[in-house]
This record gives sequence, C-alpha cells and structure tokens, in this order.
Amino acid sequence: GQNIDQPTEMTATEGAIVQINCTYQTSGFNGLFWYQQHAGEAPTFLSYNVLDGLEEKGRFSSFLSRSKGYSYLLLKELQMKDSASYLCAVRSSTDSWGKLQFGAGTQVVVTP
Amino acid sequence: GAVVSQHPSWVICKSGTSVKIECRSLDFQATTMFWYRQFPKQSLMLMATSNEGSKATYEQGVEKDKFLINHASLTLSTLTVTSAHPEDSSFYICSAATREGGYGYTFGSGTRLTVV
Repeated sequence: GQNIDQPTEMTATEGAIVQINCTYQTSGFNGLFWYQQHAGEAPTFLSYNVLDGLEEKGRFSSFLSRSKGYSYLLLKELQMKDSASYLCAVRSSTDSWGKLQFGAGTQVVVTP
Repeated sequence: GAVVSQHPSWVICKSGTSVKIECRSLDFQATTMFWYRQFPKQSLMLMATSNEGSKATYEQGVEKDKFLINHASLTLSTLTVTSAHPEDSSFYICSAATREGGYGYTFGSGTRLTVV
C-alpha cells in the first residue's frame, strides 16, 4: 500500500515563496505528481517527477528524492490566484494500470 | 490537448433513485478510466479503475453493486450510483490515463451529486 503525507494548510503573503512537502511510502514507485485544485473544480496538472532532482516550470518547481521518499513543490512569486489545494499523488509500479494515490492535500492561503 | 468531458456538472436527486455520470474522452482513446470521489475538504479517493471491454476493479470498501461502472467503448465510461442515499452526496471525478506530456492523466470537470 501507500501512505502519503503533506501538511494540511499553509499561509503565505503575496509575492512570497512557499514550499509544500510531501513524504510517501510505497511498495513500488513509478512517479510523483503535483496537482492544483480550486474548490469545486477538478485538479489541474502542475508537475511530474520520476527521477531524482528538480523540475522547474515557470513559477512552480518540484523536487524528488526517491531514496528519502520525499518531494516538495515550490511556489514562487505567489499570487492571490494561487490560493488553492495542492495535491501530491504517487503512482505505484506494482499496479499495471498506473493508478494514482493522492495525499490529503495542502490548502495554501495567499494573503495580501 | 486531451480533454475529458464529464456530465452532468451537478445533479440533485431523491434518496433511493439512481444517477448516471458520463465521462467522454475527446480526440483520444481512453483505454483506462479512473473514478474518484471527494468529500468536502478531503482528498480524492480512488473508487475504481475501468478498462474498455472488461469489468471494473474496485478499491477496498467500495460497493461494486452500488457504484456500477461501464466502459463499453474507448471514448465513454459511465458511473451509476444506484439507490442513492444522502451519504453518497459527494464530488465525483473521472480521470483518463493519457500519453500526452508523458505519463499523464486528464481529469473530467467533476460532478457534484446531492442526494436529498
């Protein structure tokens, strides 16, 4: 099985940087995804890591350490529209269909 | 890009009735469709995985006779909530595995089900 942990909530000021950590335990690892979800909407894809290291996409970056079972999502130059829930999801290599297991989500609140 | 059209966006039904939710993949073939349920302020919980032409695989604790999944074609998967009760009120989302951008997933827009 899989156990995915991330903080429940984080608050930051507009223009600042916030780092959301995610730790996971899985019987087989085949990639980690980060999604953004606004209330009442479907998740939108932010990033994907399968190898160790940092992936950068504009204001968002994601890091992965497979040996530590650890990832983080870094949000820079925060904007009010970044207020949302951020979901860490892990895909297991033991599942042939590639299903994702999601963490509980981190609610990010951006204040003026 | 790959799009999954999910309908209806929201539905209100009476307790004891059934509701069908459709997810259609546009411009691509969705061999595998995942169905999730999300309660307020909680994360997505995988309910079942469906593959075209075969029976769905349900996660532990999900009643297969209550949540009927049909994946009759490569572009259509449906979830029917049978004999709905107020505790089934939730946000239901489908997700198709795609090859776009690597090993990605395309989510439907979700269905808000309220059982009264």
